[in-house]
Amino acid sequence: GESVGLHLPTLSVQEGDNSIINCAYSNSASDYFIWYKQESGKGPQFIIDIRSNMDKRQGQRVTVLLNKTVKHLSLQIAATQPGDSAVYFCAESFQGAQKLVFGQGTRLTINP
Amino acid sequence: GAGVSQSPSNKVTEKGKDVELRCDPISGHTALYWYRQSLGQGLEFLIYFQGNSAPDKSGLPSDRFSAERTGGSVSTLTIQRTQQEDSAVYLCASSLDRGANQPQHFGDGTRLSIL
Repeated sequence: GESVGLHLPTLSVQEGDNSIINCAYSNSASDYFIWYKQESGKGPQFIIDIRSNMDKRQGQRVTVLLNKTVKHLSLQIAATQPGDSAVYFCAESFQGAQKLVFGQGTRLTINP
Repeated sequence: GAGVSQSPSNKVTEKGKDVELRCDPISGHTALYWYRQSLGQGLEFLIYFQGNSAPDKSGLPSDRFSAERTGGSVSTLTIQRTQQEDSAVYLCASSLDRGANQPQHFGDGTRLSIL
């Protein structure tokens, strides 16, 4: 069946350092991937997405990398700030199925 | 502009009661989704609406759960005869279009607690 998982449930980094959050997916038919940030008591906030015809996409301070060969997705956050502390979810979908399948989430903590 | 709005933000009710949760999607978004998030877990798909098409109900956990979307805008999720395992945060999302892999934008959810 389809599943999305994360390698690390928690990640602590120093303020100013770069963060890398990893995600593995099992459905080779997935063609759309998305990262969300969720702060306590809030809904998931869209960060960045990528389609399967790409292997890298950059946003403001964030980069998503997609490796279809090993079915791996990562989110890189440059120069992390205290406001980056949150739970990060990856999610996938495949053509014809609009629902997103979410991973369990990684909690990112920024140390001063 | 206004984001996805959900009400109530919190709901506490007794086991066996019916509850109704409301979602106002972003104006102009034709697709609407409901998800459920249990404590410390990822999001679980419940149901999806797109325009006038039949909804995708494949994620509804039991026949106690139902949802409707009136006029292609506001949606309500109804849970009948609530059970304690229904306690969760119910999240609504909307997106611009189907088939174009548009990002889903979420509201802040309704936190449902069943006593």
